[in-house]
Order: sequence, then C-alpha cells, then structure tokens
Amino acid sequence: AQSVTQLDSQVPVFEEAPVELRCNYSSSVSVYLFWYVQYPNQGLQLLLKYLSGSTLVKGINGFEAEFNKSQTSFHLRKPSVHISDTAEYFCAVTKDDKIIFGKGTRLHILP
Amino acid sequence: GAVVSQHPSRVICKSGTSVKIECRSLDFQATTMFWYRQFPKQSLMLMATSNEGSKATYEQGVEKDKFLINHASLTLSTLTVTSAHPEDSSFYICSASPGQVSASASYNSPLHFGNGTRLTVT
Repeated sequence: AQSVTQLDSQVPVFEEAPVELRCNYSSSVSVYLFWYVQYPNQGLQLLLKYLSGSTLVKGINGFEAEFNKSQTSFHLRKPSVHISDTAEYFCAVTKDDKIIFGKGTRLHILP
Repeated sequence: GAVVSQHPSRVICKSGTSVKIECRSLDFQATTMFWYRQFPKQSLMLMATSNEGSKATYEQGVEKDKFLINHASLTLSTLTVTSAHPEDSSFYICSASPGQVSASASYNSPLHFGNGTRLTVT
C-alpha cells in the first residue's frame, strides 16, 4: 500500500492567489511528515517538517502545512503565490527509517 | 548551511559505457549518503544507502552490480552506472545529513540534497 498520496499531479493557480497542495498518508506509517520543493533540474529542498507538537507547521518561503491526524492529511498552503514558486512539490513520510516520497505536484503559476 | 554537491549535472553517454556520478558533502561529514532515482513526472525512489567504509545497502529491485556505490571518505560517495542502457536514462539525486545514519535523518537536522544528475544514454 502506498504510504503517501498526492492527489493532484498538477495545480495551476494565478499569481498572488492562495494555493493548497494536498497530501494524505497511510496511517500505518510513523507520523513524521515533510514537504520538499524541487526547482527545475535541481535537487530537493526542505520546506517544512512535522515531527510532533503544534499541528500547524510554518516553513520557508511563506509556506505552511497542517497535520490532521483524523483525516491523515498534511496539506501544504500558501496565502499568496509568486511566480518564483513554480516548482515540483513533494510530500514525504518516514517509514522503516526511510523517507518515502509522494509522486509530486507541479505548481504552475499563471500570470 | 550544509551543502551537498553533485557532479556532473548532466551527462550523455553511449549504450554500454559506464558513468560515474559524485556526491560530496562540502561542509560536513556524512557517514551515510543516499542515492535516489527520479523518473519523469514521478517521485524519487530510494536506490541505496551508501555507508562510509562499508558496503552499500540496496533497496529491493536495484541491481547492485549495475549501480556500484563507493563511499570512500566521509565527504564523498560515488554512484557508477555500469554498462549503461537507454532505460537507465533518468535523474539521479544524492542526499546526506550531518551526523545522521538514517534515511529519515530529519529529526534534528534536515536531509540535504544534491542538485541531481541528468543521465541520458543513447
């Protein structure tokens, strides 16, 4: 069974509009959750992580995510996107001491 | 901050040849590094865990004789794709974390990724 699911392969959004990138995880895995961003032809950069404590996690570049245990979700949000946010975003969970990545969501910013 | 350098960024090779990709941690020592492969429009798949001074640990389905990993020092791991074929064309990414030994590796310090290597086998 898949450990992490990103429901949208691509999300188009107008510049300065809010965005939410969805991520659901399997309840069978430990609840360490991450969001990574990948700019074109580059490696991954950690946006934010949830290990414990407050369910609302703030990351870099104005992104935040909320851990929702009842819905097994960890959706990523930004209130106002910029053209520079164009990238691939990966949700990830830890399982058996490894990181398992979702398939990614491409954020496409429309002018 | 911690930086992981990966080289080359792009390589094109002929079928049957071997290609070596280097991954260096520039300002920290990494006893463990990780190699991922990313197919177009898909996620990263962990290929193997590279351990300094010992054999790499390969994930199920990854051919260890085809993807040779050497972790000769605390700052350098190499991935050699031997006898490359067109189906090996992919984006390969390495990662490392200061002082951590697990692939999750993010409890206290984040996992740092190289910028990846685009391999094209013709």
